[in-house]
Amino acid sequence: DTGVSQNPRHKITKRGQNVTFRCDPISEHNRLYWYRQTLGQGPEFLTYFQNEAQLEKSRLLSDRFSAERPKGSFSTLEIQRTEQGDSAMYLCASSLARWDRVTTHNEKLFFGSGTQLSVL
Amino acid sequence: QKEVEQNSGPLSVPEGAIASLNCTYSDRVSQSFFWYRQYSGKSPELIMSIYSNGDKEDGRFTAQLNKASQYVSLLIRDSQPSDSATYLCAVNTLDSNYQLIWGAGTKLIIKP
Repeated sequence: DTGVSQNPRHKITKRGQNVTFRCDPISEHNRLYWYRQTLGQGPEFLTYFQNEAQLEKSRLLSDRFSAERPKGSFSTLEIQRTEQGDSAMYLCASSLARWDRVTTHNEKLFFGSGTQLSVL
Repeated sequence: QKEVEQNSGPLSVPEGAIASLNCTYSDRVSQSFFWYRQYSGKSPELIMSIYSNGDKEDGRFTAQLNKASQYVSLLIRDSQPSDSATYLCAVNTLDSNYQLIWGAGTKLIIKP
């Protein structure tokens, strides 16, 4: 297992179409994140999973966005009825979060290569 | 609103010189601090992490953390043209359930 894998690398779609992206995290990692990034900005958090549970979803995220991680391994991100404003790089990242009696240790994020979405 | 601030640049540094990148954060309970490098069209890549006050060195990179002043910096010694990239600062805190809060990044250009 060499890292986080995302596909497709590029997706061009017409406005109003649905798109789905896939992410395969590093196998021993229990957390999986989806981010969106546009030019000149840092990654914008969309949602994350701990194992198969979706623990948090950005309040800014439209209902057109949905993510799943059915078996706690790979994840999919679906965007329904795409809009031109959805054009961005969609990044997946994984990490290994550990807990002790005091606190959570959220280890470093490892990113996939991203999916560049262009909505025409 | 918890924030992480970075100068967007571009920061231009001659080859061989020291590049100094700065980041300030607003949340005093921030606990972990990360520097990611991102080449144009690529995804972020972790280069340094720091958790306690002081300096942490790794090769040509040194991360400096000052929790009292709420800033973290990254020094790159003997800068190379291959260091030209955008450097993203990220911070996580208990209050954000350890979610990373990201800066917008500083674009660094190393001039041969």
